[in-house]
Amino acid sequence: NAGVTQTPKFRILKIGQSMTLQCAQDMNHNYMYWYRQDPGMGLKLIYYSVGAGITDKGEVPNGYNVSRSTTEDFPLRLELAAPSQTSVYFCATRDRAYEQYFGPGTRLTVT
Amino acid sequence: KQEVTQIPAALSVPEGENLVLNCSFTDSAIYNLQWFRQDPGKGLTSLLLIQSSQREQTSGRLNASLDKSSGRSTLYIAASQPGDSATYLCAVLNTGGFKTIFGAGTRLFVKA
Repeated sequence: NAGVTQTPKFRILKIGQSMTLQCAQDMNHNYMYWYRQDPGMGLKLIYYSVGAGITDKGEVPNGYNVSRSTTEDFPLRLELAAPSQTSVYFCATRDRAYEQYFGPGTRLTVT
Repeated sequence: KQEVTQIPAALSVPEGENLVLNCSFTDSAIYNLQWFRQDPGKGLTSLLLIQSSQREQTSGRLNASLDKSSGRSTLYIAASQPGDSATYLCAVLNTGGFKTIFGAGTRLFVKA
């Protein structure tokens, strides 16, 4: 099992550019999450999904979009990147015992 | 609104010392509490998960306790080693919620 995988590992964007952060899981978990982690801070929830076709906003959704067409994939889209979106992005899943599993993260810099 | 606080923000101890990391939360209506370890530049690794009906969980040298009524959890690390150096985060899942709330973490440094 690969668990939760994320691509790319690193990315530098110019202000105004767009990109998609990929997240995939092979554990057949229904729940999936996107978080961002800023230096010295805890994780903030951006979006989450309780199953294919169902998504909802978290604490900090502005500037992001998600889709969930399959159980395995949960991509995060950044439109019109801004310096405030410089962060480390983590994708996670949750199993039926409510335990969370995290991907390795994507480090994004917007300049 | 649930808030999770971890004190201290950073801790430095000599190798071999037993230590306690603290986590407090404001709303006691939680489903579970999870402790994670994060190494620099890496993702989060789950250490222990305590369901709301449990008082503690143990894994090797780690012991986590939960006191829902006082809104507190502790992570006890016995006989600390330099390899334990990392950031430790706690996170709570509210009853009936889909969202997990994270603390900012405690950065631990174990000196050889």
